[in-house]
Amino acid sequence: QVQLVQSGAEVKKPGASVRVSCKASGYIVTNYHLHWVRQAPGQGLEWMAIINPTGIYTTYTPKFQGRITMTRDTSTNTVYMDLSSLRPDDTAVYFCARGSQQVPGVYWGQGTLVTVSS
Amino acid sequence: EIVLTQSPGTLSLSPGERATLSCRASQSLSSNFLAWYQQKPGQAPRLLIYDASSRATGIPDRFSGSGSGTDFTLAISRLEPEDFAVYYCHQYSGSRTFGQGTKVEI
Repeated sequence: QVQLVQSGAEVKKPGASVRVSCKASGYIVTNYHLHWVRQAPGQGLEWMAIINPTGIYTTYTPKFQGRITMTRDTSTNTVYMDLSSLRPDDTAVYFCARGSQQVPGVYWGQGTLVTVSS
Repeated sequence: EIVLTQSPGTLSLSPGERATLSCRASQSLSSNFLAWYQQKPGQAPRLLIYDASSRATGIPDRFSGSGSGTDFTLAISRLEPEDFAVYYCHQYSGSRTFGQGTKVEI
């Protein structure tokens, strides 16, 4: 069955970078879009980015432009999200989600808590 | 940026009652590009509705979405105990955004 398994929690200092991985099973990442959504503690959802099936096209919310990069490793069926120049307000649970070009769909990762603190 | 405003912030209801949640967009959404998600504490969101009124795979028919333009509604016809959660609307007409959420509590 389809599963998305994300990497474990991270603690980073302000200004550092973080890489969150999203390993897919039950399907091939070259066949579906993948979205990234985050949620600060006790807050609502924030859509961040999408990578298309070819891996060529990515779209980001403007506030993350220049700080976010998404890549894929087709040999391990894994998608990576790198976020740089971390700030304390980047502290959040980061989710990956398989979806269409329009929306994050039925299958989501379990979430990765990234804590940014000095 | 398209701002989504959800109301009410909290809805206090009992099992068996009908829930009506509202989502208003700051500008008209093309092709009714609006989705609804349910989220329970400690869990990932769950897609309920997309394109304003299409139910996602496996979603019970007690959940229904309606609306167009700037005003959208999620209705839950008869609340089951497992429906008490936070609900978010999400637009994908422009740069994608979520509403702030409506908590449905007992």
